Amino acid sequence: SQQGEEDPQALSIQEGENATMNCSYKTSINNLQWYRQNSGRGLVHLILIRSNEREKHSGRLRVTLDTSKKSSSLLITASRAADTASYFCATEHNTDKLIFGTGTRLQVFP
Amino acid sequence: GAGVSQSPSNKVTEKGKDVELRCDPISGHTALYWYRQSLGQGLEFLIYFQGNSAPDKSGLPSDRFSAERTGGSVSTLTIQRTQQEDSAVYLCASSLDGFTGPSSGNTIYFGEGSWLTVV
Repeated sequence: SQQGEEDPQALSIQEGENATMNCSYKTSINNLQWYRQNSGRGLVHLILIRSNEREKHSGRLRVTLDTSKKSSSLLITASRAADTASYFCATEHNTDKLIFGTGTRLQVFP
Repeated sequence: GAGVSQSPSNKVTEKGKDVELRCDPISGHTALYWYRQSLGQGLEFLIYFQGNSAPDKSGLPSDRFSAERTGGSVSTLTIQRTQQEDSAVYLCASSLDGFTGPSSGNTIYFGEGSWLTVV
């Protein structure tokens, strides 16, 4: 299976702390995307990083990509209670479909 | 509509019955995807339509599952002779174009999903 794996599976932090989630994948990619899901409903795109990029920022989000290790990390700085959600990485391969990881459930306590 | 629309939002069906789930993608989007998500799990790819190309059905778990996309727009996912293990959220997504390599990276937009419960 090409499905990526994320760790930790679950993460609980206090508001204001940083949250780091990691994603590993198995085969070479064209790009990697991170998505957020609230309460098991539809996913919302957060950020995309291409295979030739190493780091990308968007607001409080910072994504890194290490293609030699086939891994990526998502950092949410200064977390808020509203950041509570599940976060998924998704990899685009040459097979023309987006493969999602297993997800990290983030709980941010006020 | 402004987003991807799915119906029904929730469906409870008896084991052995057939169900149809509908997806109306964003207007103009040529690519359409179906994913399945069991409770607390990641997304499992089911099928992918891109324009007039033959669909990628490699993720369909059994021959009880089928999907079609009429006129390059609305898609229907059909599950025949439902089983309890089919209970999940079925998520549809669309994107402006399919994935065409390193210069692509189209964002895909998800619907709110159809919750299927087989009792």
